[in-house]
Formats: sequence, structure tokens, C-alpha cells
Amino acid sequence: AQSVTQLGSHVSVSEGALVLLRCNYSSSVPPYLFWYVQYPNQGLQLLLKYTSAATLVKGINGFEAEFKKSETSFHLTKPSAHMSDAAEYFCAVSRSGGSNYKLTFGKGTLLTVNP
Amino acid sequence: DGGITQSPKYLFRKEGQNVTLSCEQNLNHDAMYWYRQDPGQGLRLIYYSQIVNDFQKGDIAEGYSVSREKKESFPLTVTSAQKNPTAFYLCASNERGTDTQYFGPGTRLTVL
Repeated sequence: AQSVTQLGSHVSVSEGALVLLRCNYSSSVPPYLFWYVQYPNQGLQLLLKYTSAATLVKGINGFEAEFKKSETSFHLTKPSAHMSDAAEYFCAVSRSGGSNYKLTFGKGTLLTVNP
Repeated sequence: DGGITQSPKYLFRKEGQNVTLSCEQNLNHDAMYWYRQDPGQGLRLIYYSQIVNDFQKGDIAEGYSVSREKKESFPLTVTSAQKNPTAFYLCASNERGTDTQYFGPGTRLTVL
């Protein structure tokens, strides 16, 4: 069974500092992995996804993530945090089975950006 | 514009009452999903539907019911059997055979 663990429920950085949000996965098959962002009282927006085409995935808003099979990790990074990056971030893994795709989500990491 | 709409944004109900949350999409997606979100718990799958007139239970289906009579609509009923219904509910959809889900803006249900 697939599962996702996000290390750190809350991460705080200064504006302009590196953002690193950690995600480790467990999967019995090659996984499809996703990062979503959620702003307060809104739905989730896709940041990026890994589907085995390339281990370094670039997403929207300057975010990127690197798939490391040996470490079963898919950490999200951004070189320089902006105040508008403050939100909750969710890592997810796809539970595929034929045409039946379901996502298993981590518990989320709340990112705070300090001026 | 294509997208997913959920209504209402905020919903208040008295304990013991059933309540139905609306989810409509004009993306022509076959698959639709309902998730429940609680603080610090991530998203948990309630029900999903891959095609009209068919749906399956997710991880936490007890106390909930759904219908899928039209491709664009997937309403969720929170019944009085749901022990702790206060939560943020999110609807999502994707094209059949793909894995990227697109989300609606959510409905925050508060049971008083």
C-alpha cells in the first residue's frame, strides 16, 4: 500500500531564504508523486508532479522537487521564499490500479514566511 | 472558464440533520472524488466515482452517501449517522485513466 510522510507540520522561513519541505513515500510500485498547495479556505492547486520522465521536476511559482528513489523522497524546494508562498503544502502519491487512480495525501506542512 | 464549483462556501446545520453538499464540474471529466479535510489530518477520501451511475467507498465512507446521475454532478450527503461532521469538504475530478486531480474551492460544514 502506498503512503506518504511529510516531515514537519510547520516550517517557518524568512523572506528570501531557501524553502525546503520534506516528503517521503512508501510504494510497492513505481510511484506517481505530486505536490499541491492550499491557501486559506481554498481548494488545492497542483504545483508539480513526478511521472518518471525526469527526476528533477519544475513546477509553478518557482518551486521544484527532486525524486530520489534510493531515499524514497520527493522534497519540495524554492531558492528564495516570497511572502505569497505562505500556505499549506501537501505531498501525495497515486494509488494506481488499471484506470482507477486515487491519491493518498500526507498530513500537510504549513509554511510561514517572515518579513 | 472550465472548473469545479462547490456550493455553498459555508454551511451550518443542527446536529441530527442530513445535509447535501453540491459539486459540479464542466471539465468533461469522468472521475470525481470527495475528500474530507481536518486540521493536521491531510485529506481523506470519502467516495469516488469513475463513471456515471457508479461509485465506490473510499477510506472513510461511514455516515456519508453520494449519487452520480449526471457526468458533471457528484453531490455528497452528510447523514445524521456521521459522528463528527464538522470539517472542510473538497471535491475533485480528473480525466479517466489519468492521475492529476483538480480541486474545487471547498465547503466548510459546521454542525451546531
